[in-house]
Amino acid sequence: GAGVSQSPSNKVTEKGKDVELRCDPISGHTALYWYRQSLGQGLEFLIYFQGNSAPDKSGLPSDRFSAERTGGSVSTLTIQRTQQEDSAVYLCASSLAPGTGGNNEQFFGPGTRLTVL
Amino acid sequence: SQKIEQNSEALNIQEGKTATLTCNYTNYSPAYLQWYRQDPGRGPVFLLLIRENEKEKRKERLKVTFDTTLKQSLFHITASQPADSATYLCALDKGNTPLVFGKGTRLSVIA
Repeated sequence: GAGVSQSPSNKVTEKGKDVELRCDPISGHTALYWYRQSLGQGLEFLIYFQGNSAPDKSGLPSDRFSAERTGGSVSTLTIQRTQQEDSAVYLCASSLAPGTGGNNEQFFGPGTRLTVL
Repeated sequence: SQKIEQNSEALNIQEGKTATLTCNYTNYSPAYLQWYRQDPGRGPVFLLLIRENEKEKRKERLKVTFDTTLKQSLFHITASQPADSATYLCALDKGNTPLVFGKGTRLSVIA
């Protein structure tokens, strides 16, 4: 079956513009995660969805970042008034269910590379 | 604060040897520990999960150990091949919170 997909694969934008990044999780996966990975850095957790609700938004770096998930499926990460420090690869992952040990294997998409000029 | 460290940024080994990668953590009590592989330009791919009450887990040429006393996991690749070259990430899993990832170790297997 299809894996996690993300679009666009690359996005170049000017400082101050808003961007929307999209994630299509694996069908049936109830948990969805957004991470950010900067060059040479580990994965930085941003936000986690269980169904359409976000129990953990603790990783969002500022109020310029927001995310939503509709229909328990597609999720959109929005960055408003982008800054150069927002440049990174944004990764989305989904899992069958959170917090169930062996079922918490996360399946990652290929990421969106965001460059803010 | 929670901290997870992987022993080195880069590790070079000769083909056929065993690669050993280390993951140490502090201020954390994970229920599980996961290892992922990441190739350039791609998202991480799950490899193995080990539970806190398991000492060792194996999958083909991969072996993971988990020592909750030392707060350390070791990841071994036996009979390494150039195709094993990638970045390997460990992640702590409490079972009810998002994973906490290390920065990864970039493994290069030289033919």
